[in-house]
Amino acid sequence: EPEVTQTPSHQVTQMGQEVILRCVPISNHLYFYWYRQILGQKVEFLVSFYNNEISEKSEIFDDQFSVERPDGSNFTLKIRSTKLEDSAMYFCASSDLWGYTFGSGTRLTVV
Amino acid sequence: QQQVKQSPQSLIVQKGGISIINCAYENTAFDYFPWYQQFPGKGPALLIAIRPDVSEKKEGRFTISFNKSAKQFSLHIMDSQPGDSATYFCAAGPGNFNKFYFGSGTKLNVKP
Repeated sequence: EPEVTQTPSHQVTQMGQEVILRCVPISNHLYFYWYRQILGQKVEFLVSFYNNEISEKSEIFDDQFSVERPDGSNFTLKIRSTKLEDSAMYFCASSDLWGYTFGSGTRLTVV
Repeated sequence: QQQVKQSPQSLIVQKGGISIINCAYENTAFDYFPWYQQFPGKGPALLIAIRPDVSEKKEGRFTISFNKSAKQFSLHIMDSQPGDSATYFCAAGPGNFNKFYFGSGTKLNVKP
């Protein structure tokens, strides 16, 4: 069964540093998303991406965040100048008409 | 404003019992209602989903009941098993090309 792959599975970074979270969506999907889940809380939408541009973003997705599809297979989330409150699980997802699939997530710990 | 409200927060059920988790949504434009199962350290995995043109959908031991007029939907897990112990999230949205709004999650513990 096709999967959404995320790397790394766990990232520890110092406050103020930049991190890049990587995702490989399902190959024939055209819609891509990032979600965030702070420990013990619900999954929250960050951003959706279609046709090489952001189609929607939430209030959480401020100038600290950016997304990119640098080639035909990867989809990245960059967090500049990380803060303690950015510590969370970050999930990538991709979709087409028949399915909406989440990756296993990257646990980001900001220290 | 919470778009999707989920209850209960936690649930303990004996093996073989029925687990019931409820969700309510606000936006009448939502037309896709998936349930996700999440194990610790893993991403949400699609369990079962329903569209509002039917009132019930069953897949194995999992059933979604949908009440469009009340804007409510629920997940029933029949013959609950210890392996079903996980966190369950309901979600709602306008379809597969949009964001989903998630409920706050229900931690299910099925006792052997």
